[in-house]
Amino acid sequence: GAGVSQSPSNKVTEKGKDVELRCDPISGHTALYWYRQSLGQGLEFLIYFQGNSAPDKSGLPSDRFSAERTGGSVSTLTIQRTQQEDSAVYLCASSWNRDTYEQYFGPGTRLTVT
Amino acid sequence: AQSVTQLDSHVSVSEGTPVLLRCNYSSSYSPSLFWYVQHPNKGLQLLLKYTSAATLVKGINGFEAEFKKSETSFHLTKPSAHMSDAAEYFCVVSDPTGGGADGLTFGKGTHLIIQP
Repeated sequence: GAGVSQSPSNKVTEKGKDVELRCDPISGHTALYWYRQSLGQGLEFLIYFQGNSAPDKSGLPSDRFSAERTGGSVSTLTIQRTQQEDSAVYLCASSWNRDTYEQYFGPGTRLTVT
Repeated sequence: AQSVTQLDSHVSVSEGTPVLLRCNYSSSYSPSLFWYVQHPNKGLQLLLKYTSAATLVKGINGFEAEFKKSETSFHLTKPSAHMSDAAEYFCVVSDPTGGGADGLTFGKGTHLIIQP
């Protein structure tokens, strides 16, 4: 079946612009996760959703970052007033539910802020 | 608190020789442990997972890992490397009290290079 998909695959934006990244989880997966992978770094957990709810937003790097999920499916990660340090690969993953540790990852969106 | 240390940022082996990728963890609880692989420009793929069942875990593509509580280790091994194994490998620990993603901690990764 279809895996996790993310769009766009690559995004180049100018500093100060807003960007929106999209994630389509595997059908039926109720939990959805966002991570950031910066050059030479491991994965940094940003936020997760169980259904449409994000119980803990403390992992978001700053108040310029926000995420939402509607209909228990598609999620968008929005970065406002992008900065060069936001350049990274943003990965989305989904799992059957919050208590299922096996997460399925999408291919990521490579964001470059110039 | 939990943490993961991948002891080698790069490992280079010849094709056909054994692979050893080292991982040590720190966790206040009985953790679940995972290895993920990331091929260039691809998403992360789960190789194997330990969730308090058998301490020797077999995964895909001939990889396996052994959970050693006394050494707080979860090293990844493969008897014979293939060129297709060249990728980035991540060791991951989870805190069961935190449930899903809020309990996941990723190591910084080990880049596996396979020499022909």
